[in-house]
Amino acid sequence: EAQVTQNPRYLITVTGKKLTVTCSQNMNHEYMSWYRQDPGLGLRQIYYSMNVEVTDKGDVPEGYKVSRKEKRNFPLILESPSPNQTSLYFCASRLGNEQFFGPGTRLTVL
Amino acid sequence: SQQGEEDPQALSIQEGENATMNCSYKTSINNLQWYRQNSGRGLVHLILIRSNEREKHSGRLRVTLDTSKKSSSLLITASRAADTASYFCATVQGGSQGNLIFGKGTKLSVKP
Repeated sequence: EAQVTQNPRYLITVTGKKLTVTCSQNMNHEYMSWYRQDPGLGLRQIYYSMNVEVTDKGDVPEGYKVSRKEKRNFPLILESPSPNQTSLYFCASRLGNEQFFGPGTRLTVL
Repeated sequence: SQQGEEDPQALSIQEGENATMNCSYKTSINNLQWYRQNSGRGLVHLILIRSNEREKHSGRLRVTLDTSKKSSSLLITASRAADTASYFCATVQGGSQGNLIFGKGTKLSVKP
């Protein structure tokens, strides 16, 4: 089944403890992206990647890192999470104009 | 940067009625897309309309685009309880990498 998977789906952590949210797609898409969704703000793009080893900042990249060492994976790294990074995170990949979203990762930073 | 703004923020209707949601945006676009999100889940692509198109249909969905007013509308006809979800418009700006800029969404509730 064609899909985008994210892990973990839920995570509660503490300020400053490094974490990684994994994202994987099995559709051989070149483009992948990370978004965060907050009440009243909609979805905002964090980082995107046009292809392997090519990443670019989105609208809200501060406090996040990404890497794209292989086409299928696009992990989101929070080196030192802070409470304002508590959010619902979505990974997506794209074919043509249509984006395919993962199920989301709900992150709480205490 | 927020591009699209949906209106209304929330809409409650009875099953069988039509639901209309509007989206306004600020800059010139390449295309505009509508996505649906069931509570707390990932978004699902519904329909895309290009900047040179004025209207598009897909099943019970009808999308219009008015580039002179920088606005779009999504009409869901004969709504069902299963249509209950949040609906987002997203724009792709001309000359961009194809990145989507989302609005804040309209929360639709369809009562059986």
